[in-house]
Amino acid sequence: GAVVSQHPSWVICKSGTSVKIECRSLDFQATTMFWYRQFPKQSLMLMATSNEGSKATYEQGVEKDKFLINHASLTLSTLTVTSAHPEDSSFYICSASDRGSDTDTQYFGPGTRLTVL
Amino acid sequence: GNSVTQMEGPVTLSEEAFLTINCTYTATGYPSLFWYVQYPGEGLQLLLKATKADDKGSNKGFEATYRKETTSFHLEKGSVQVSDSAVYFCALRTKAAGNKLTFGGGTRVLVKP
Repeated sequence: GAVVSQHPSWVICKSGTSVKIECRSLDFQATTMFWYRQFPKQSLMLMATSNEGSKATYEQGVEKDKFLINHASLTLSTLTVTSAHPEDSSFYICSASDRGSDTDTQYFGPGTRLTVL
Repeated sequence: GNSVTQMEGPVTLSEEAFLTINCTYTATGYPSLFWYVQYPGEGLQLLLKATKADDKGSNKGFEATYRKETTSFHLEKGSVQVSDSAVYFCALRTKAAGNKLTFGGGTRVLVKP
């Protein structure tokens, strides 16, 4: 149980285009989903926290107009990288907290590798 | 604020060797502590956790003890296997920080046969 999927697993796009990444909790309802960014050989940096049905809370320094987050249901959150540029190339990872769990553990998706040409 | 410091890698070991990865933290309040593992090409998986001082988390032969006096949560395994090759992340979470995870920089471990 407690599986989180991401789609796509990798994407290559041209500079200036927008890319949408989906994060789904497959067998549980997620009250909260988190979006992270991981640079090569570096740690995860939290970008934003999203709660179902409300606006995402962005970390300092993260442009909310560039990284649009939608958490429309208890099993789906999306991250849209708008007008992507090469510096947005990175590994994007989502995680989800199980609503029905009393431990509030975060379960991580496998990540999406974005390459912007 | 919260922060996690862990030893830099890569750590290269032979199979059946003893592994230790140091992790220390600073936190506002009383954190819960975690070790996550990231195998090549995969997402993070929770390896073990401890929620209060002196708790020992254990899983798959790995152990870590929550040491409040030294603000540490070192990861150990007595006999590593090639399949333990991965990146290991120490992390903490506090209610004061809205239960957001703060990660260390990660330690890459390579186990050679």
